[in-house]
Amino acid sequence: GQSLEQPSEVTAVEGAIVQINCTYQTSGFYGLSWYQQHDGGAPTFLSYNGLDGLEETGRFSSFLSRSDSYGYLLLQELQMKDSASYFCAVILNTGGFKTIFGAGTRLFVKA
Amino acid sequence: GAVVSQHPSWVICKSGTSVKIECRSLDFQATTMFWYRQFPKQSLMLMATSNEGSKATYEQGVEKDKFLINHASLTLSTLTVTSAHPEDSSFYICSAVREGRGNSPLHFGNGTRLTVT
Repeated sequence: GQSLEQPSEVTAVEGAIVQINCTYQTSGFYGLSWYQQHDGGAPTFLSYNGLDGLEETGRFSSFLSRSDSYGYLLLQELQMKDSASYFCAVILNTGGFKTIFGAGTRLFVKA
Repeated sequence: GAVVSQHPSWVICKSGTSVKIECRSLDFQATTMFWYRQFPKQSLMLMATSNEGSKATYEQGVEKDKFLINHASLTLSTLTVTSAHPEDSSFYICSAVREGRGNSPLHFGNGTRLTVT
């Protein structure tokens, strides 16, 4: 089966840097994505890694190591509005594409 | 660009009735759409992959006769919850990906909160 592991909860202060790790065990791995979801809202896309290495998009960066089945999302210069749930999501290609989500990490940003 | 509209945003229905949820890609064509279900403070569980012009592919454990999916055009997929029961109460979210873009990024609708009484 497919499994993704990420921490359930992280707390950090405004202005700090936080890293949310994700490990996965899947078959048909194609890439790793990250999504943000505020309570009651829809998930929004943050970042995608199809190849090993670091992808940077503003305050957010994401990393992938295929050999280690591991990735992380790095959030810099944290702001209160970053308080949300963050999901790592593996894209699988098993004759067709689909995306499976991890359980999510709730990030609490304190003043 | 890449707007996905989902309707209705919330619905309350009586046990035994059916509810239809629509998902439209407004400014792009989506050969494939995905239906997810989310319980409070939990992950998004993939229910099925909806393919334009063909039968949907359901994930293991999802009853295809209960959750009917139709993808009649490149911009519209519908999910019908048939004979709804209180345990079907949940947040249902559709997503779509632009044609030819693999599976990233997924563009999500705003979700439908279904309450079955």
